[in-house]
Amino acid sequence: AQSVTQLDSQVPVFEEAPVELRCNYSSSVSVYLFWYVQYPNQGLQLLLKYLSGSTLVKGINGFEAEFNKSQTSFHLRKPSVHISDTAEYFCAVSNSRGGSEKLVFGKGTKLTVNP
Amino acid sequence: DSGVTQTPKHLITATGQRVTLRCSPRSGDLSVYWYQQSLDQGLQFLIQYYNGEERAKGNILERFSAQQFPDLHSELNLSSLELGDSALYFCASSSHGETQYFGPGTRLLVL
Repeated sequence: AQSVTQLDSQVPVFEEAPVELRCNYSSSVSVYLFWYVQYPNQGLQLLLKYLSGSTLVKGINGFEAEFNKSQTSFHLRKPSVHISDTAEYFCAVSNSRGGSEKLVFGKGTKLTVNP
Repeated sequence: DSGVTQTPKHLITATGQRVTLRCSPRSGDLSVYWYQQSLDQGLQFLIQYYNGEERAKGNILERFSAQQFPDLHSELNLSSLELGDSALYFCASSSHGETQYFGPGTRLLVL
């Protein structure tokens, strides 16, 4: 079975500060990793994904994440946040070896960017 | 806009009733997934269909069922509704199973 732990349920930061949202996963098989963002009263939007290849993945809106297999982590970073980045962020994992590709999500991290 | 559409956007109904949620996947995507988002359980996978056939089942109650039609749209049927079924229901679609794109969701309120 797979599981995802998002270590911080809430992260408050000031505008233009850097931010890191932490994600650790557990899986007995190879995985794909994803970060999704959910703005208030909206659906889930794909921020970035790791399928294979380079462990540093760049996504939309200036976000990036690094896959660390030895630490089973996939932390999300942004060097300078904006007010508009206020949202809930979900880390997710799926099985890369076929069968069902269901996503297993973490409980989410609410990022609040203050002026 | 992900290209995945869901209707209705909001649904208010009473306990014991039955509702149907509809999802149209992105053009060309053969896989449809249903997820439930609630405050206590978070985001949970319910069921997956691939080209009309059920492919995987998650934490889906027996009162819930789904199907995927020949035109690839999918419906999630929820029956004998309980207060605890109030949640946001998302549909997602994918072409090769690697990346899922989510619709805007249907917010269900059971009174």
